[in-house]
Amino acid sequence: GAVVSQHPSRVICKSGTSVKIECRSLDFQATTMFWYRQFPKKSLMLMATSNEGSKATYEQGVEKDKFLINHASLTLSTLTVTSAHPEDSSFYICSARDWGGRAGFGAFFGQGTRLTVV
Amino acid sequence: GENVEQHPSTLSVQEGDSAVIKCTYSDSASNYFPWYKQELGKRPQLIIDIRSNVGEKKDQRIAVTLNKTAKHFSLHITETQPEDSAVYFCAASIESNMLTFGGGTRLMVKP
Repeated sequence: GAVVSQHPSRVICKSGTSVKIECRSLDFQATTMFWYRQFPKKSLMLMATSNEGSKATYEQGVEKDKFLINHASLTLSTLTVTSAHPEDSSFYICSARDWGGRAGFGAFFGQGTRLTVV
Repeated sequence: GENVEQHPSTLSVQEGDSAVIKCTYSDSASNYFPWYKQELGKRPQLIIDIRSNVGEKKDQRIAVTLNKTAKHFSLHITETQPEDSAVYFCAASIESNMLTFGGGTRLMVKP
């Protein structure tokens, strides 16, 4: 399958600071990447769809000014959690689809980022 | 938008038994249905998928069936092993659009 790499895997930050998470497609080009948030023992909730070269599309209830998404190239999307607060602590995970390439229509996930805001 | 329901939320089986997880979806336009396995703290891993032009797909001990008329699809794991213990998610989408996930099933295989 296709490889998606996400960094960092864990981050602890102070309340009020910003954290940037990177999502890279290593062996394919991803015009679209997806950012999810997962609470303990819960399913993956789509936060936003990241489109290369254009603005991200955010799901209802997700603050675009708080969760800044940049997709500047075909292999990299970044999620920046701005002015983080303890309630932003969660598991954030990205995915990318190979658009019918070698991996078919499968979506492949990054390793995820465990964010803890103290 | 699409809504995916998944049952059961937890499933406990004895090693060697079969496990079945069922999902229903709401959008009749959905035509791609993957299943993911997620171990604690790890990323979801695609284990099998099916497209709407196929009714069943099998890969060793894992099989998926799809009933488009009823809008439901199921994951079947035969001869379960302790390493099958994980959370399983079904999902649905229209081609390469975003995936909508079910709520997940925690499968526990007792040795």
